Amino acid sequence: QVQLVESGGGLVKPGGSLRLSCAASGFTFSDYYMSWIRQAPGKGLEWVSYISSSNTTIYYADSVKGRFTISRDNAKNSLYLQMNSLRVEDTAVYYCAKGNYLADYWGQGTLVTVSS
Amino acid sequence: DIQMTQSPSSLSASVGDRVTITCQASQDINNYLNWYQLKPGKAPKLLIYDASNLETGVPSRFSGSGSGTDFTFTISSLQPEDIATYYCQQYDNLPPWTFGQGTKVEIK
Repeated sequence: QVQLVESGGGLVKPGGSLRLSCAASGFTFSDYYMSWIRQAPGKGLEWVSYISSSNTTIYYADSVKGRFTISRDNAKNSLYLQMNSLRVEDTAVYYCAKGNYLADYWGQGTLVTVSS
Repeated sequence: DIQMTQSPSSLSASVGDRVTITCQASQDINNYLNWYQLKPGKAPKLLIYDASNLETGVPSRFSGSGSGTDFTFTISSLQPEDIATYYCQQYDNLPPWTFGQGTKVEIK
């Protein structure tokens, strides 16, 4: 069965960096787009970024463009999100999801807290 | 960006009740609409895709309808395990894909 397991969340100060990882299993990872979606505390969902199977197509929400970098390692069945220049408003649960416009499987999420 | 207006923001219903949630897009999105279920501490789950298609393994009490700008999500007979927050999400044309504000469903 499809499994997506995020890691790398934690507490970081404003301006700091964090790298999230997502380990995928149960499907042919290299065949699919992958996404990061976040939910700030008490707020709705925001589609943060997605990457194509071969890294040729990448999307970023305006709110993270220039600060976040999505990447993947198909040999390791892993998805990453490098987050730099973090802001308080980046505080959220970050979900890894399979797909780029239809998230048919999600992980349980990892909490990122940006606070001084 | 396309705005999705979802209502109500919360509802309370009895087990066995029919529950309806609506989602309105700020412009025509054809049938490019998905519905998700979120429960605290669990992986979110896709329920309905392309407005009315039931995802494999999802109980048939869940359904979706609509096209253009107006969409409806229905639970035909509310069960205790359906307590969750439900979100619509559009993916028409170009990103950003946007979500509705969510509907929290509780048992009366």
